[in-house]
Amino acid sequence: DQQVKQNSPSLSVQEGRISILNCDYTNSMFDYFLWYKKYPAEGPTFLISISSIKDKNEDGRFTVFLNKSAKHLSLHIVPSQPGDSAVYFCAASVAGGGNKLTFGTGTQLKVEL
Amino acid sequence: DTGVSQNPRHKITKRGQNVTFRCDPISEHNRLYWYRQTLGQGPEFLTYFQNEAQLEKSRLLSDRFSAERPKGSFSTLEIQRTEQGDSAMYLCASTATEASTEAFFGQGTRLTVV
Repeated sequence: DQQVKQNSPSLSVQEGRISILNCDYTNSMFDYFLWYKKYPAEGPTFLISISSIKDKNEDGRFTVFLNKSAKHLSLHIVPSQPGDSAVYFCAASVAGGGNKLTFGTGTQLKVEL
Repeated sequence: DTGVSQNPRHKITKRGQNVTFRCDPISEHNRLYWYRQTLGQGPEFLTYFQNEAQLEKSRLLSDRFSAERPKGSFSTLEIQRTEQGDSAMYLCASTATEASTEAFFGQGTRLTVV
């Protein structure tokens, strides 16, 4: 039962353009959502998060949008840079659930010159 | 502080052997989590501690797995009688408090069972 889904295993964009990574979830109890970036042979690195009481959170080039009614969130990176090439994981947690994270399967982003 | 530290980085073991991994969380972080990641999947929750108390174990954590955090600082994850299906990346993460949602991950221990 995959409660957090990232249906695009890979995405390729040109440097300077916008990257949009998508994530869907099925558990209505999720109330906090996070994006992690992972380079090969390293652990995931926290990128940005959003609470379920908000619909948008922005941090520099990164913006996360949350659509609770659709159980969908997206990560926008603009402008995309070659150093952004990595695997991006969407994760979610339930209030009172110990803050343990449920992850999606990841999207491999490649930013080309 | 250099972040979450995991040792060893890589471990190759023969089927049936026992292995132990260590995680040193960020100093003074009172929550510590173990996750497992297999190829093509995201990390999956295994267990977590608040200080020295183990508060939850996933059904993924069979009775061959045991985790400890004896003094509320570092943690160990032991796998007994390893099986080929145990081959995975084992990730440790920590958070500052029980209210913190941002988890900081270590670089992981890559286990290969041959």
